[in-house]
Amino acid sequence: SQTIHQWPATLVQPVGSPLSLECTVEGTSNPNLYWYRQAAGRGLQLLFYSVGIGQISSEVPQNLSASRPQDRQFILSSKKLLLSDSGFYLCAWNGRGDQPQHFGDGTRLSIL
Amino acid sequence: GDSVTQMEGPVTLSEEAFLTINCTYTATGYPSLFWYVQYPGEGLQLLLKATKADDKGSNKGFEATYRKETTSFHLEKGSVQVSDSAVYFCALSGANTGNQFYFGTGTSLTVIP
Repeated sequence: SQTIHQWPATLVQPVGSPLSLECTVEGTSNPNLYWYRQAAGRGLQLLFYSVGIGQISSEVPQNLSASRPQDRQFILSSKKLLLSDSGFYLCAWNGRGDQPQHFGDGTRLSIL
Repeated sequence: GDSVTQMEGPVTLSEEAFLTINCTYTATGYPSLFWYVQYPGEGLQLLLKATKADDKGSNKGFEATYRKETTSFHLEKGSVQVSDSAVYFCALSGANTGNQFYFGTGTSLTVIP
């Protein structure tokens, strides 16, 4: 069966520090991959999605970036974090067509 | 463009009460519709889905019917439990959205004993 792993679960970082969040999917090949951010008590904001290795689409301009170095690996990065980057980050995947998205357990990011 | 509108929360119910969370959508073509549930501190879990008009998705006592004529996909449960306390998200996806997902803003449900 397919599983999605996301880490770390919790992260506390100072303003201006770099960021790297990782997401991997097992049990499937060539998935669509997504990064979302969820501010406290709010809905989901799509940040990036990828339909294949090296193919990244950005939904909103920001100081975050994403990369997909391998088929089932999706990385969210920043060179210098801002206070406004705090939130709950969720990775998701789905297969081709209008298949349901499946979510990781999320990373709680706090910026100090 | 395509979008999903959910009823505003928070919703507070007593145990065993009837639940309805309204969801309406705007879309070209015939999207698939989904309900997700998010328990505190966790990611979203797929609760149920429907892929065409008049389909009824169901899971764990929750139901939702794809109503094309009213562009709605309301979530219902006949008797809620404390363990149903969570945030519920309605979503759509389809060929006309490039298979992108559009999520509602979420509805927080608290069930009190």
